[in-house]
Amino acid sequence: GENVEQHPSTLSVQEGDSAVIKCTYSDSASNYFPWYKQELGKRPQLIIDIRSNVGEKKDQRIAVTLNKTAKHFSLHITETQPEDSAVYFCAASSPNDYKLSFGAGTTVTVRA
Amino acid sequence: NAGVTQTPKFQVLKTGQSMTLQCAQDMNHEYMSWYRQDPGMGLRLIHYSVGAGITDQGEVPNGYNVSRSTTEDFPLRLLSAAPSQTSVYFCASSYRPTSYEQYFGPGTRLTVT
Repeated sequence: GENVEQHPSTLSVQEGDSAVIKCTYSDSASNYFPWYKQELGKRPQLIIDIRSNVGEKKDQRIAVTLNKTAKHFSLHITETQPEDSAVYFCAASSPNDYKLSFGAGTTVTVRA
Repeated sequence: NAGVTQTPKFQVLKTGQSMTLQCAQDMNHEYMSWYRQDPGMGLRLIHYSVGAGITDQGEVPNGYNVSRSTTEDFPLRLLSAAPSQTSVYFCASSYRPTSYEQYFGPGTRLTVT
């Protein structure tokens, strides 16, 4: 099955700086790559996703890039704010099965 | 719409007890799934369902059963609770399997002593 690895496990940034989280996946057939944000004590919520026919997608201060050849994708958060402090999960799924595989998560702390 | 709801929010069980975690959605989603979340391990898929009457195993199915008799409900049963099942459990649903946004419930925090 799919194996998703996520780095780093923790990330501390100064407010206003950028944050980058990287994920790799193992199944070359995977074609859907969402990112979820989970605030403390809350449920995970989708913040952005990308499909394999697209190399980059942006939504205001967040962007995701995908490199199918290298089988990795990344989340970029620019101009970080205190409300960006949360755990971020990457995930991948293949059309060959009905499973969404998650990375282990990155705890992002934005220092004021 | 209430979205995805889960009950209970908290539960403490003794080893060997059984219980059912309830999950319901009112969005007419075909796909429903159960995850467990443990520190440093992300969200691991327990069981999933692609429609009423159809269920299948995920990554960590041992010790859990599911059924899907209606589109709306997807209960998770712990057959004989063990301390290793102490975790936070999330139910999720989506319009189609996986390649669409997963909507998560608020979670159930389970402690097995």
